[in-house]
Amino acid sequence: AQTVTQSQPEMSVQEAETVTLSCTYDTSESDYYLFWYKQPPSRQMILVIRQEAYKQQNATENRFSVNFQKAAKSFSLKISDSQLGDAAMYFCAYRSPARGSNYKLTFGKGTLLTVNP
Amino acid sequence: NAGVMQNPRHLVRRRGQEARLRCSPVKGHSHVYWYRQLPEEGLKFMVYLQKENIIDESGMPKERFSAEFPKEGPSILRIQQVVRGDSAAYFCASSLAGGASSYNEQFFGPGTRLTVL
Repeated sequence: AQTVTQSQPEMSVQEAETVTLSCTYDTSESDYYLFWYKQPPSRQMILVIRQEAYKQQNATENRFSVNFQKAAKSFSLKISDSQLGDAAMYFCAYRSPARGSNYKLTFGKGTLLTVNP
Repeated sequence: NAGVMQNPRHLVRRRGQEARLRCSPVKGHSHVYWYRQLPEEGLKFMVYLQKENIIDESGMPKERFSAEFPKEGPSILRIQQVVRGDSAAYFCASSLAGGASSYNEQFFGPGTRLTVL
């Protein structure tokens, strides 16, 4: 079974600065999908960014980018020019492409990001 | 376009009562996932349903929990004889299809927070 580990329960960053959130995962599969979700105080789960394991290029969405290291099974999220609205819980998630997995998501425990003005 | 709707947003039950949580997927989506988020934890998969069928219930507790997704109407997660340990946020996600393609994203609802007194 796949596992996802987020080793930083809490992180803080100054507004306009850059912060990196860590995520590692364990899998024996060679192809899979990785995601970062944001959960603000409203508790709504918002997809921030996704990465297909077969793609070597790191995904980027505006101020959000990932550092995907497949051999190391690492998938960190970098937030540039942090804004107050970025304050939230961030979850890393894994999804197997295998039909038998039924494509369910496996989540880490989350990292609570605080943005200081 | 309406996203995934869940109701109620907050539900309070006394021990021994029944809780019924509803999820209306994105229009046109026929695949529904239920996840549970315990305090201080990430989301954990419970059950995956397609219209009128339970596909994967490997994450559901063996007793007291059931789910359905009828041909017409919302998906229902039912918890009988609730206990304090059932207190959690319950999230529903829907997808257009069940394939591995990244285009079959799971869109999350806002969750139902269940409190058992």
